[in-house]
Amino acid sequence: KNEVEQSPQNLTAQEGEFITINCSYSVGISALHWLQQHPGGGIVSLFMLSSGKKKHGRLIATINIQEKHSSLHITASHPRDSAVYICAVISTGNQFYFGTGTSLTVIP
Amino acid sequence: DTEVTQTPKHLVMGMTNKKSLKCEQHMGHRAMYWYKQKAKKPPELMFVYSYEKLSINESVPSRFSPECPNSSLLNLHLHALQPEDSALYLCASSQGGNFYGYTFGSGTRLTVV
Repeated sequence: KNEVEQSPQNLTAQEGEFITINCSYSVGISALHWLQQHPGGGIVSLFMLSSGKKKHGRLIATINIQEKHSSLHITASHPRDSAVYICAVISTGNQFYFGTGTSLTVIP
Repeated sequence: DTEVTQTPKHLVMGMTNKKSLKCEQHMGHRAMYWYKQKAKKPPELMFVYSYEKLSINESVPSRFSPECPNSSLLNLHLHALQPEDSALYLCASSQGGNFYGYTFGSGTRLTVV
């Protein structure tokens, strides 16, 4: 069993839709990252969270430490948001665990 | 400068070749990481350097040899690779071993023929 589980694995949305990607983890953490990876390969860190909620443009990330759950929301989705979104956690033992990723395709 | 720069972006090498991947950052980060990523899988940690010393080697075959000449530079020397080593090799850095300020490079796409 993975320490970090994401859902859904694949997601197709129409342009303009509101999108939610979920992440659940089983270890105690000091922080959680949401990462974005485009087909070219490079990974960009979107957010690092240890509590509450963060917003950047059309992206919102929330975390509930008690429930060991985080969500990434994309409002007014756009084809350029098509990418793989990866949840990764830093455990309290200072290990870094990756989720298996959610592949998002936004159709014009 | 808030980037991790990896070169080359693409590399094709034969099984008898020797090549090197390079990773550079000028953010003052003291921890640097090499990951290997196969298609549709999350990255797998290979090596961690902390304060220029190898702190983690995740049982990587000896045909991969990391080197950290200084705090800004991380190399991965490749020798006698196998076709199954073809993958995206990602470098990352952070301020310390606590992954604060974690930043990835754009990767080197390696093909072994």
